[in-house]
Amino acid sequence: DTEVTQTPKHLVMGMTNKKSLKCEQHMGHRAMYWYKQKAKKPPELMFVYSYEKLSINESVPSRFSPECPNSSLLNLHLHALQPEDSALYLCASSPLPGGTDTQYFGPGTRLTVL
Amino acid sequence: GENVEQHPSTLSVQEGDSAVIKCTYSDSASNYFPWYKQELGKRPQLIIDIRSNVGEKKDQRIAVTLNKTAKHFSLHITETQPEDSAVYFCAASPEKLTFGTGTRLTIIP
Repeated sequence: DTEVTQTPKHLVMGMTNKKSLKCEQHMGHRAMYWYKQKAKKPPELMFVYSYEKLSINESVPSRFSPECPNSSLLNLHLHALQPEDSALYLCASSPLPGGTDTQYFGPGTRLTVL
Repeated sequence: GENVEQHPSTLSVQEGDSAVIKCTYSDSASNYFPWYKQELGKRPQLIIDIRSNVGEKKDQRIAVTLNKTAKHFSLHITETQPEDSAVYFCAASPEKLTFGTGTRLTIIP
């Protein structure tokens, strides 16, 4: 398997809901990333996991909670989101951490917060 | 932290002509410079990358040049085709990717 997969493709949630985004890769990559992308903007880094440990948190609000249960899976737990959190959430992985390995992106989850 | 500027923000070229997109970066420690293509509603896809020990890299119709002294790098697409129409992002990385603001490239048939 040479792809990063993400579920769900689309998610609509209210501000009081709790939901989770899921990302999976079976390429043996040891770094995984969450990005947020607003319309007509570049991806913005949120979190980096290196060898299943959180290594970078870009001062993301606590209503976003990442989790890396194993080397192939990455989750993003969502709680009490705001309408401005509506965006495309992209997961990526790279063979090694450190920023100089190619990052492969998943198709994203398009999130709408009502 | 790293700051990446990208120009132009939009670019229209006639099919068959060349397109050039330019980026500058601020952190002299950056040593990895990928270019991603993102079609509407799709994921960013790597099209070419270059590392700081190389000045130029080519892959068929696509080439990237890097000037570390001036802290700028450029994407060159020759013999453009309609399927080249997309948003292109440059990025620079000392330890994490920072993306440029993107260039919307339109190929006019």
